[in-house]
Amino acid sequence: GENVEQHPSTLSVQEGDSAVIKCTYSDSASNYFPWYKQELGKRPQLIIDIRSNVGEKKDQRIAVTLNKTAKHFSLHITETQPEDSAVYFCAAGGYNKLIFGAGTRLAVHP
Amino acid sequence: SAVISQKPSRDICQRGTSLTIQCQVDSQVTMMFWYRQQPGQSLTLIATANQGSEATYESGFVIDKFPISRPNLTFSTLTVSNMSPEDSSIYLCSVGPDVTETQYFGPGTRLLVL
Repeated sequence: GENVEQHPSTLSVQEGDSAVIKCTYSDSASNYFPWYKQELGKRPQLIIDIRSNVGEKKDQRIAVTLNKTAKHFSLHITETQPEDSAVYFCAAGGYNKLIFGAGTRLAVHP
Repeated sequence: SAVISQKPSRDICQRGTSLTIQCQVDSQVTMMFWYRQQPGQSLTLIATANQGSEATYESGFVIDKFPISRPNLTFSTLTVSNMSPEDSSIYLCSVGPDVTETQYFGPGTRLLVL
């Protein structure tokens, strides 16, 4: 069945370092790949997304890359700050459905 | 993005009872989704609620346990029926407010079943 694998499950970095989270998906029909940030006790918030006709997208300190051939996409956060600490979820799918990865707990230490 | 509210925000219920969760959006949306997020876990899609048609349930979720209503383009309810402690979770609705695939989440309903 459809599956999204996300790695690592936890990530600890020093403030100012970069963080990279990777996801792979199984459904070749997937054409939409969002990333959500969820702080403790809060709802998931969309931070960036990419569609299958684009290989890379950047928004300030956040970038996402997509390799459709390998069914692989990644989130890159540069110059991390303590407020980046949260759980990050990748997802893959399309108009009618999203399948979420298991999540990555990112801790940014001052 | 759309403004989404859920009621109740949290509840403590006794096993065997049912709870209906409401999701309200400030604009008309085509797609509404219901998710479950168990403690420390990811988001699992329960069903897709489309106005004017029966909800579409994912594998492992059935209508008798999670009946859904979608009476109009701004509102939906999810009922958790005959609850057991295993139903303790956060239930979130999400909406796709436009013709793209983007989903935005409501604040969630935190349910504890004793």
